[in-house]
Amino acid sequence: GAVVSQHPSWVICKSGTSVKIECRSLDFQATTMFWYRQFPKQSLMLMATSNEGSKATYEQGVEKDKFLINHASLTLSTLTVTSAHPEDSSFYICSWGRLDNEQFFGPGTRLTVL
Amino acid sequence: QKEVEQNSGPLSVPEGAIASLNCTYSDRGSQSFFWYRQYSGKSPELIMFIYSNGDKEDGRFTAQLNKASQYVSLLIRDSQPSDSATYLCAVGMDSNYQLIWGAGTKLIIKP
Repeated sequence: GAVVSQHPSWVICKSGTSVKIECRSLDFQATTMFWYRQFPKQSLMLMATSNEGSKATYEQGVEKDKFLINHASLTLSTLTVTSAHPEDSSFYICSWGRLDNEQFFGPGTRLTVL
Repeated sequence: QKEVEQNSGPLSVPEGAIASLNCTYSDRGSQSFFWYRQYSGKSPELIMFIYSNGDKEDGRFTAQLNKASQYVSLLIRDSQPSDSATYLCAVGMDSNYQLIWGAGTKLIIKP
């Protein structure tokens, strides 16, 4: 149980384009989910917390107009990186929150912006 | 500011020995404690969670929690090369499911 998928697993795009990353919980439903970003050899950085049907709460320094989160249902959330630039190249990981704070992670999406 | 501290390592342990990973946290209101393992290029996977003071064992892994000292540890017995990874400590506060993450300890098991 507690399987999370992310799509795509990796993506290469040109600077200035937008990229959408999809995160699904396959065998459970959850209200709250999280988007993280991880640069090489660095720790996990929380970008935003999202509750189904509500606007996401972004961490300090994360631009909400650049990283658009759509949390449409209890099993699906998307993160769109708008007008991506090389400095946005990173490993993006979603997770779903369950009871007692446990989080289940997706496999991650590696974004490379040329 | 709520903080979770881990030694970044690397911690080098011979194969078959016990690896001991430590984590301290700043907020006494913390309720839940997690250890995640992350292989290079992969997302974190849950190893263990613990909510109450004392020890919790699962196979080769033992989590230890001491709320008075604000300290949580992970012991890995009979360490294997496949245990080489970064181990992340995470602490939960309340019902909003958010976790405060440590920076992780890189563990290297030497054959």
